[in-house]
Amino acid sequence: GAVVSQHPSRVICKSGTSVKIECRSLDFQATTMFWYRQFPKQSLMLMATSNEGSKATYEQGVEKDKFLINHASLTLSTLTVTSAHPEDSSFYICSASSGRADQPQHFGDGTRLSIL
Amino acid sequence: RKEVEQDPGPFNVPEGATVAFNCTYSNSASQSFFWYRQDCRKEPKLLMSVYSSGNEDGRFTAQLNRASQYISLLIRDSKLSDSATYLCVVNEGGTYKYIFGTGTRLKVLA
Repeated sequence: GAVVSQHPSRVICKSGTSVKIECRSLDFQATTMFWYRQFPKQSLMLMATSNEGSKATYEQGVEKDKFLINHASLTLSTLTVTSAHPEDSSFYICSASSGRADQPQHFGDGTRLSIL
Repeated sequence: RKEVEQDPGPFNVPEGATVAFNCTYSNSASQSFFWYRQDCRKEPKLLMSVYSSGNEDGRFTAQLNRASQYISLLIRDSKLSDSATYLCVVNEGGTYKYIFGTGTRLKVLA
């Protein structure tokens, strides 16, 4: 199956730090990438959708200035959590799609972010 | 009404049992459907796509009922390793947005 690599898998850092998470599609061109967040025992929550070469579309309630998304190529999207605070601690997961609605999205391994 | 609805469970079943989950969707124009499984503290993994004619992969069978707007997942001969949360995902086509159900939690007991 399609492989999506997400890095890093675990981050622990101090409050106020900015954290960058990378999401790479290794064996297909990802026209669209999605960023999700999941708190313990809760459902996945879509944060934003990014299309290669254009600005990301953020879901309601997600601050675009706090969660910077860049999708500069068909194989790489990055999420930067700027000036992270303890309430930003969560499991962040990316997924990649070829852009065809009949094809599934494929998920990265996720990044567990802990802000002290 | 939620766009995609699932019974959250948990469904507790003994090993070897057959268990079925349903997932209803509200948009009749929805185009594609998928089942994922998610283990605790892990990312969702694609289990199977759901085709109009229904499809089977080993012990797993997925079906689509467009008239009643639901998809189903049947697991036969349940294994302990099947314990997970099963997520129903629907793509409505136009926006290429995938809509997730909240997931159904399955526990297979020894």
